[in-house]
Amino acid sequence: DAGVTQSPTHLIKTRGQQVTLRCSPKSGHDTVSWYQQALGQGPQFIFQYYEEEERQRGNFPDRFSGHQFPNYSSELNVNALLLGDSALYLCASRPGTGDIPYEQYFGPGTRLTVT
Amino acid sequence: TQLLEQSPQFLSIQEGENLTVYCNSSSVFSSLQWYRQEPGEGPVLLVTVVTGGEVKKLKRLTFQFGDARKDSSLHITAAQPGDTGLYLCASPTGSARQLTFGSGTQLTVLP
Repeated sequence: DAGVTQSPTHLIKTRGQQVTLRCSPKSGHDTVSWYQQALGQGPQFIFQYYEEEERQRGNFPDRFSGHQFPNYSSELNVNALLLGDSALYLCASRPGTGDIPYEQYFGPGTRLTVT
Repeated sequence: TQLLEQSPQFLSIQEGENLTVYCNSSSVFSSLQWYRQEPGEGPVLLVTVVTGGEVKKLKRLTFQFGDARKDSSLHITAAQPGDTGLYLCASPTGSARQLTFGSGTQLTVLP
């Protein structure tokens, strides 16, 4: 059973460009969340998708947008890249909207470097 | 917004030593999770604690949840190089139960 997968593993972009990151959740999971992790910091919540809708959003600008597909996979798009967007982007999945406690499964992340 | 503070930020010890890392908040946790993250990987859940005063053990790791559910600790006995990693505490918050993470404790166990 494959866990959460993310692509690409690494990405280098230039300021002002746009990027799309992809995530496939663990089998049986329909809720996908995205987190940004700066070097030496804990992950910060970007947004969560459930039933193809954005369910909750963290404190990130509109340059960050996402999408969830009918097969529950998800994309994170970042427009007008800034140097400060350089980070590890993590995707996490879990089943449904179940009550706590529950376990979120994280993918290995996409390392984005903006130059 | 609930803030989680972790201490120490960095910890470097010799193999065989014991250590404790801490996670504190000014707000009450509904529940608290501890994760370990190794380089190039995403965080992996170690434990979830829910009840004030709860103690859970996972081999050489002991997790405690404060009576008031505002603090937690992770104690590692006889640390091994394989314990090296970033230890993160996190609490589900918000309507979507998204995770709020602490800034982490970077542990290095030297052989």
